[in-house]
Amino acid sequence: AQKITQTQPGMFVQEKEAVTLDCTYDTSDPSYGLFWYKQPSSGEMIFLIYQGSYDQQNATEGRYSLNFQKARKSANLVISASQLGDSAMYFCAMREGNINDMRFGAGTRLTVKP
Amino acid sequence: DTEVTQTPKHLVMGMTNKKSLKCEQHMGHRAMYWYKQKAKKPPELMFVYSYEKLSINESVPSRFSPECPNSSLLNLHLHALQPEDSALYLCASSLRGVVAGLAPLHFGNGTRLTVT
Repeated sequence: AQKITQTQPGMFVQEKEAVTLDCTYDTSDPSYGLFWYKQPSSGEMIFLIYQGSYDQQNATEGRYSLNFQKARKSANLVISASQLGDSAMYFCAMREGNINDMRFGAGTRLTVKP
Repeated sequence: DTEVTQTPKHLVMGMTNKKSLKCEQHMGHRAMYWYKQKAKKPPELMFVYSYEKLSINESVPSRFSPECPNSSLLNLHLHALQPEDSALYLCASSLRGVVAGLAPLHFGNGTRLTVT
């Protein structure tokens, strides 16, 4: 069974600084995908970035990058140049190769300070 | 704008009412999902439909009844709910098949349900 762990219930970052949100995972399937979602207080789930288990390079999408360390089973999200609008709940999630479901970690509440 | 549309945005219902949540997508996705999310918690998977057939039911109480009339529509029928069922209900869709593990879920904006 897959398991996602986010150990930081809350994080604070100063505007314009970078922040790392931690995520570790556990799976026995060699084929899997790791995802990060942002959920503002409005409730929508916004897909940010994806990393496949066979990808050789870390994923990047604009100010978001994923620090993928396969041997350590970690997939940390790095947000560069934080903005006030980045304040939200962030969820790490995983899908295994041929299974339909997606499971989420407990989430990290990020607050960006002006 | 989200490509997955959920209606209504808000719903208040009594414990004896029958209501339905609706979800629609036109991205050609053949997997559709219902998640339940309580405040300050992660989304919890309820149901998964694959090619219009129920493939996963996470032991959800029978007062929640899903339906997938066609590849674009997903309903969640509600009957005799309890106050603890009050939550944000999220619908999502994704690609199906061997690339499923590579594909993100696309979520709707959710329905905020309050059971009185």
